[in-house]
Amino acid sequence: SQKIEQNSEALNIQEGKTATLTCNYTNYSPAYLQWYRQDPGRGPVFLLLIRENEKEKRKERLKVTFDTTLKQSLFHITASQPADSATYLCALDMNRDDKIIFGKGTRLHILP
Amino acid sequence: NAGVMQNPRHLVRRRGQEARLRCSPMKGHSHVYWYRQLPEEGLKFMVYLQKENIIDESGMPKERFSAEFPKEGPSILRIQQVVRGDSAAYFCASSPGEWLNSYTFGSGTRLTVV
Repeated sequence: SQKIEQNSEALNIQEGKTATLTCNYTNYSPAYLQWYRQDPGRGPVFLLLIRENEKEKRKERLKVTFDTTLKQSLFHITASQPADSATYLCALDMNRDDKIIFGKGTRLHILP
Repeated sequence: NAGVMQNPRHLVRRRGQEARLRCSPMKGHSHVYWYRQLPEEGLKFMVYLQKENIIDESGMPKERFSAEFPKEGPSILRIQQVVRGDSAAYFCASSPGEWLNSYTFGSGTRLTVV
């Protein structure tokens, strides 16, 4: 069956270090993959989109990689700050249509 | 330019009552998506609509749940005869419907069935 897997345990990172989150998927061939941030009690907020033919995408302190052979995306936050603490969701299009499916998310804590 | 507006933010219903959740998409967005989120769980796709059309309702329970997006007015997610298991956060998102678009989410409606 089709599956999206993200680290289920919370990730604790010291302020200033790089946080790396993983998204693995099976039995999909997505055309693109997205990352969202969700704060408690709020809706998800879009961060980055990467296409299947792109290896890497950057936006300020954020970097996303996409390896369609490994079926994996890595999401990096460099020079992390306590304000980066949130749940980060990986999402991808399941059938190459406009509908996207989300992973369960990884909770990130940046420790001051 | 207001974002996606959902109301109410919190809704309490007794078992057996009806719940109506409203979603006004961002201006210029013609596609609406509803997701359900349980505590410690991910967002589960429910339904995808365009104006006056249901495009994909593969995530909607077959009974008691319905959704619409009329020509005028907000999208409505309707849950009839609610049960305790319907308690969750319901999020609406909208997009312009172009290829490779991202979603803009509302703040959600938290439904509690007592």
